[in-house]
Amino acid sequence: NAGVTQTPKFQVLKTGQSMTLQCAQDMNHEYMSWYRQDPGMGLRLIHYSVGAGITDQGEVPNGYNVSRSTTEDFPLRLLSAAPSQTSVYFCACGTPPSYEQYFGPGTRLTVT
Amino acid sequence: AQRVTQPEKLLSVFKGAPVELKCNYSYSGSPELFWYVQYSRQRLQLLLRHISRESIKGFTADLNKGETSFHLKKPFAQEEDSAMYYCAPPPSSGGYNKLIFGAGTRLAVHP
Repeated sequence: NAGVTQTPKFQVLKTGQSMTLQCAQDMNHEYMSWYRQDPGMGLRLIHYSVGAGITDQGEVPNGYNVSRSTTEDFPLRLLSAAPSQTSVYFCACGTPPSYEQYFGPGTRLTVT
Repeated sequence: AQRVTQPEKLLSVFKGAPVELKCNYSYSGSPELFWYVQYSRQRLQLLLRHISRESIKGFTADLNKGETSFHLKKPFAQEEDSAMYYCAPPPSSGGYNKLIFGAGTRLAVHP
């Protein structure tokens, strides 16, 4: 099993461009989340999903969209990239009752 | 709302010294807490969950309800322990919503 996979690993965007970060899991977990990791800020939740067709906002949702059409996939869309979105993005999945989070390898995004 | 606080951004120790990474929480209900670790350029992974009361890689964490703390301890640090450590509570009792991590503590173990 691959666990949680993310593509791409690295991406450079110009301000105003849009793109989608891909996340897939083969663990059949109900819950999926997107976090961004910034120095001194730790991990901040962007959006999350408790199942196919259900998504909700986290702490820092502005500028990002998500959808969950299948259990396996949870893409994160940047609508109009800004330098403030330069970060490392992690996707994670989990399932009750433990709620342990399984993380992907991350996508390092730079917006110039 | 659930909150966890990791007061130290950086903890620097020498090999063989004891280590204590602090985590304080502030929410009601029965807390169940996790410690995650991120080694350089790797993904985050679970290190410990309080409910299991286990010791992983020599680390232990005791839940202190009186002090609302879940500090991570190791009696003798090793260089390979150098990493980022995050404390995290589970989702609220109402379901999975806004799982919050602490800001993280970078542990640097020097030879």
